[in-house]
Amino acid sequence: NAGVTQTPKFQVLKTGQSMTLQCAQDMNHEYMSWYRQDPGMGLRLIHYSVGAGITDQGEVPNGYNVSRSTTEDFPLRLLSAAPSQTSVYFCASSYRNRQFFGPGTRLTVL
Amino acid sequence: AQTVTQSQPEMSVQEAETVTLSCTYDTSESDYYLFWYKQPPSRQMILVIRQEAYKQQNATENRFSVNFQKAAKSFSLKISDSQLGDAAMYFCAYRYLIGGATNKLIFGTGTLLAVQP
Repeated sequence: NAGVTQTPKFQVLKTGQSMTLQCAQDMNHEYMSWYRQDPGMGLRLIHYSVGAGITDQGEVPNGYNVSRSTTEDFPLRLLSAAPSQTSVYFCASSYRNRQFFGPGTRLTVL
Repeated sequence: AQTVTQSQPEMSVQEAETVTLSCTYDTSESDYYLFWYKQPPSRQMILVIRQEAYKQQNATENRFSVNFQKAAKSFSLKISDSQLGDAAMYFCAYRYLIGGATNKLIFGTGTLLAVQP
């Protein structure tokens, strides 16, 4: 199993650009989530999904969209990037009491 | 709302010594899980140890153990025989259950652990 994969690893955007952070897992987990990590803030939940076709907002959802058309994929979309979205983004899937994190994407918005 | 507090932004320990990282949390729930995650410079989030709130016995994983005080809402991590590879950021996390949504984690702000040779 590859576990949880994220692409790209690094990305630089200009303010106003859009992009999609990709996340995939091959463990058939129903639950997937997106977190952002900022210095001094820990990880904060952006959006999560409890299964294909079902998504909901987390703690800091503004500026981000998600969809879940398959069990495997859970992309995070930034429609109009802002400098405040400069962060490291982690995707995770979970089963029972354990979360499996991807390697993260470092996003810089200029 | 549930919160997790790590009051030690940085800690340092000598190799082979023992260090304790502190974590407190606030919740009105009686059943939940607590976790410690390690994040080395590679950024990968690695689960170190977990504790179920309904279990009174403290969890242990090799050199890592916790002191779980439910009434005090305290969940500290003890690292024994510290090794250079233990140097990392450590996050305390709480897992709560709301309205059927499971596995949502609330993280503390982290403690950066340095290990001195």
